[in-house]
Amino acid sequence: QSVLTQPPSVSAAPGQKVTISCSGSSSNIGNNYVSWYQQLPGTAPKLLIYDNNKRPSGIPDRFSGSKSGTSATLGITGLQTGDEADYYCGTWDSSLSAYWVFGGGTKLTVL
Amino acid sequence: QVQLVQSGSELKKPGASVKVSCKASGYTFTSYAMNWVRQAPGQGLEWMGWINTNTGNPTYAQGFTGRFVFSLDTSVSTAYLQISSLKAEDTAVYYCARSGGDFDYWGQGTLVTVSS
Repeated sequence: QSVLTQPPSVSAAPGQKVTISCSGSSSNIGNNYVSWYQQLPGTAPKLLIYDNNKRPSGIPDRFSGSKSGTSATLGITGLQTGDEADYYCGTWDSSLSAYWVFGGGTKLTVL
Repeated sequence: QVQLVQSGSELKKPGASVKVSCKASGYTFTSYAMNWVRQAPGQGLEWMGWINTNTGNPTYAQGFTGRFVFSLDTSVSTAYLQISSLKAEDTAVYYCARSGGDFDYWGQGTLVTVSS
């Protein structure tokens, strides 16, 4: 059971928009930056969003991130079949000593 | 460009040890921490801990103390993960990931299979 809660799966049609939620607490999301990672099948994870809402160079603006309180959201617009992947949120948790936590991951299916 | 290149797949018997390497290039190795992340078959990402590439001081996450050791060879910009007394449940893909806050670059992963 992960400290950060994500829905196991989401789905939408090509061209549509989807959001993926990541719920935590004051010891993690509430007081730290959130990042998001995309893991295409059979590949290593890739940084998609950092510092809650910033995109690394090369990440299209179809991908966006936001944070409110102890929850964060990843948004993807103009869905493409190539977006089918597992998505993970992550942040530091400072409840006892600083350690990193990932959400359980969300499988995105583009129908 | 930044690259993290990991060593190849390993097949080990229970009780054996394995050492996975992660060679960094394209940046100053000691300017970023190095993390290790485990992904068991069909499962999510699990942070194992990190090593300070300046001091060599490792920090291990809960569940990764005792049999797991992080080390460095800064002369060749390489981080290592050693796992001893391997068990079947150690079967997973192990990733190294650079961090300066978030994990901005990842190795390609090393599959370690533990089977008799």
